[in-house]
Amino acid sequence: KAGVTQTPRYLIKTRGQQVTLSCSPISGHRSVSWYQQTPGQGLQFLFEYFSETQRNKGNFPGRFSGRQFSNSRSEMNVSTLELGDSALYLCASSLSRASGRGNEQFFGPGTRLTVL
Amino acid sequence: QQQVKQSPQSLIVQKGGISIINCAYENTAFDYFPWYQQFPGKGPALLIAIRPDVSEKKEGRFTISFNKSAKQFSLHIMDSQPGDSATYFCAARFGRGSGNTGKLIFGQGTTLQVKP
Repeated sequence: KAGVTQTPRYLIKTRGQQVTLSCSPISGHRSVSWYQQTPGQGLQFLFEYFSETQRNKGNFPGRFSGRQFSNSRSEMNVSTLELGDSALYLCASSLSRASGRGNEQFFGPGTRLTVL
Repeated sequence: QQQVKQSPQSLIVQKGGISIINCAYENTAFDYFPWYQQFPGKGPALLIAIRPDVSEKKEGRFTISFNKSAKQFSLHIMDSQPGDSATYFCAARFGRGSGNTGKLIFGQGTTLQVKP
């Protein structure tokens, strides 16, 4: 079974631009979560989507948004990019929202975003 | 607010030794505690996980010890190998009815180096 895929893998943008990142979950997985990873802040939860609805949101400004499609694929968008948005953006998928064995979160390789 | 605190930040162990990483949490709404291993340039990969009704779980050379009353859990890597050199993250996931179901909170990470 194919793992979580994220595109693009690397991205360079300038301040003020916007960016859209894509995530394809493992087949059959319906929950998709996004995380931002930086050396200083570690792994921080951005938001979670399940059945095309945002279910959870982390403490990020409104410039960060996302959506999920009927096939469970998800996109996240960052508008008006700032230097501090440079990070590795990770997507993780799971079967459902519940915790426990058989419903672990599996991560993709991430998209490395650099804002100049 | 750091809901999951991880220590040490870095760890150097000789080949064949035992690596121990500790985590502490505050929120009793967590009901699932996974550990992830991350190599440079890769997304985190699930290593082992435990639920709070179990005090210990072992999978191969990896063991989680869980102390519910102290709200602490730890990862033990027995017979550590150079190939175990990576960054390890503990995490805690919100359970059903918490208002944050499925949300995963990570510790700050521990960089492990196993010397040959």
